[in-house]
Amino acid sequence: KQEVTQIPAALSVPEGENLVLNCSFTDSAIYNLQWFRQDPGKGLTSLLLIQSSQREQTSGRLNASLDKSSGRSTLYIAASQPGDSATYLCAARSWDDKIIFGKGTRLHILP
Amino acid sequence: ETGVTQSPTHLIKTRGQQVTLRCSSQSGHNTVSWYQQALGQGPQFIFQYYREEENGRGNFPPRFSGLQFPNYSSELNVNALELDDSALYLCASSLEGTSRETQYFGPGTRLLVL
Repeated sequence: KQEVTQIPAALSVPEGENLVLNCSFTDSAIYNLQWFRQDPGKGLTSLLLIQSSQREQTSGRLNASLDKSSGRSTLYIAASQPGDSATYLCAARSWDDKIIFGKGTRLHILP
Repeated sequence: ETGVTQSPTHLIKTRGQQVTLRCSSQSGHNTVSWYQQALGQGPQFIFQYYREEENGRGNFPPRFSGLQFPNYSSELNVNALELDDSALYLCASSLEGTSRETQYFGPGTRLLVL
């Protein structure tokens, strides 16, 4: 049974710093892994999707990596801004189309 | 904006009642998934519909049921509501022909069961 864990649960960093959010999964037989952003009380916004055959994806200041052998993915945010404050969720999709989410990392960027 | 809408935005029900939540996907999105997100938790997969048929289900009892319609809308029905059903309910759609690509989420319906 797939389990997805995100560490840390919460993170506060000063504006301008680079930061890394971690996601680990127990079953490496995933089809893809997706990172989302969720603002308080809102739905999810897709940030990056990495297929199982890929190692990383980049969009603007965001870079996500995937290492299936170690069951890990990281989301790197460069030059953080106050608008980046949100909860970041990772989700692992299995080959039978089940998606398992982590509990998220609550990120607070200090102005 | 993802192009996925949900209604209502908020809902209050009492224990034992039934509720229907609605989702409208983008045109061409033939796959829709429903999730339950309790406060402080990640979304939990309820089920998925592809071309109007259920093709995947998480660990939710049969009182959670769904429908998907040809016009890219869908419903989540919950019978015999329990207090623990209080949560944010999210639907997500993905592109026609595959269920394996990026999911686009709606803003959610927040359900409170008293």
